[in-house]
Amino acid sequence: KNEVEQSPQNLTAQEGEFITINCSYSVGISALHWLQQHPGGGIVSLFMLSSGKKKHGRLIATINIQEKHSSLHITASHPRDSAVYICAVRFNTDKLIFGTGTRLQVFP
Amino acid sequence: EAGVVQSPRYKIIEKKQPVAFWCNPISGHNTLYWYRQNLGQGPELLIRYENEEAVDDSQLPKDRFSAERLKGVDSTLKIQPAELGDSAVYLCASSFTGANTEAFFGQGTRLTVV
Repeated sequence: KNEVEQSPQNLTAQEGEFITINCSYSVGISALHWLQQHPGGGIVSLFMLSSGKKKHGRLIATINIQEKHSSLHITASHPRDSAVYICAVRFNTDKLIFGTGTRLQVFP
Repeated sequence: EAGVVQSPRYKIIEKKQPVAFWCNPISGHNTLYWYRQNLGQGPELLIRYENEEAVDDSQLPKDRFSAERLKGVDSTLKIQPAELGDSAVYLCASSFTGANTEAFFGQGTRLTVV
């Protein structure tokens, strides 16, 4: 069983739709990252959170420590949001483990 | 300030040839990671350094892969000899040491072994 699981693996949406990507992990963590990776590009960190909720523009990230679950929401999605979104968790050993990513395509 | 810098961005080599990747982390970051990302998958840790010490290299295929971070700053990852299955993106990341520190990623090196 993977230590970090994301769902869905693939997601398509029409421009303007509200999008949710989920991440679950198996044991206690010290921090969780949401990352964005464009085709051929490097990885950009969107959020790092260890509790509660963070918002940046149209992106919102939440985490529920008790349920070991985090969600990334995109409001009013746009074709430029098309990318792979990766959840990565830092366990107490300082090790950073990645999920397999969610490939998002937003069509105009 | 520049972020994590990796070079080259792309590399195509024939199998059995050696190849090396270079990473310059963000200034002051003690922790440096090398990851391998196969197509359609998430990155997998190869090795993690704290300063110049490799503290986690359990996933590094030591028969052909080697890494060094001699002065606790820049790092190189080498494959010798490369195999077809080594084709992937090799990502470098750095952070300050600590549980709640943010990791920053380089653009990656896309390796194609033919």
